[in-house]
Amino acid sequence: KAGVTQTPRYLIKTRGQQVTLSCSPISGHRSVSWYQQTPGQGLQFLFEYFSETQRNKGNFPGRFSGRQFSNSRSEMNVSTLELGDSALYLCASSPDRGVTDTQYFGPGTRLTVL
Amino acid sequence: AQSVTQLGSHVSVSEGALVLLRCNYSSSVPPYLFWYVQYPNQGLQLLLKYTSAATLVKGINGFEAEFKKSETSFHLTKPSAHMSDAAEYFCAVKLPAGTALIFGKGTTLSVSS
Repeated sequence: KAGVTQTPRYLIKTRGQQVTLSCSPISGHRSVSWYQQTPGQGLQFLFEYFSETQRNKGNFPGRFSGRQFSNSRSEMNVSTLELGDSALYLCASSPDRGVTDTQYFGPGTRLTVL
Repeated sequence: AQSVTQLGSHVSVSEGALVLLRCNYSSSVPPYLFWYVQYPNQGLQLLLKYTSAATLVKGINGFEAEFKKSETSFHLTKPSAHMSDAAEYFCAVKLPAGTALIFGKGTTLSVSS
């Protein structure tokens, strides 16, 4: 089975712009979660989608949003970019929402905000 | 609130030496615990997970971890380090009713020849 894929892998934007990142989960996986990784804050949970609905949300401002499509593919959007949004954004998929379900991570999208 | 503490942001060992990476959790209810590894410019790969079935968990690449409730710990070990083990290691926790992974700050493992 193909793993989790994320596009693009690298992205450079300027402050004030918006950006959309894409994630294709492992075939058959229905839950998609997003995480932000920075040197200062480490890995932080952004949100989780299941059956096209946001089921869980981390402590991030409303500029961060996402959606999930009927084929489980997911996108996240960041509006009005700030320098502090520079990070590696990781997507993870799991078969279901079970607490013991393993989350499989993609390679990430590295976003640089200038 | 639950959290995870990884003691030591950087651990250095010689090839063939024991690897011990420490993880302590704080949770009012028994959590589910995970160890992930991240190689440069890659995502996270699951090494092993504790789901209450057995306190000693064996994972991939020769790693194992033991859940000790009395010590609220889930330390990761490997008897003999290999150069290819050099990477960053993350301990993570989930509450029984949760879906989000709460990560520790990570430990970078260096292996010298």
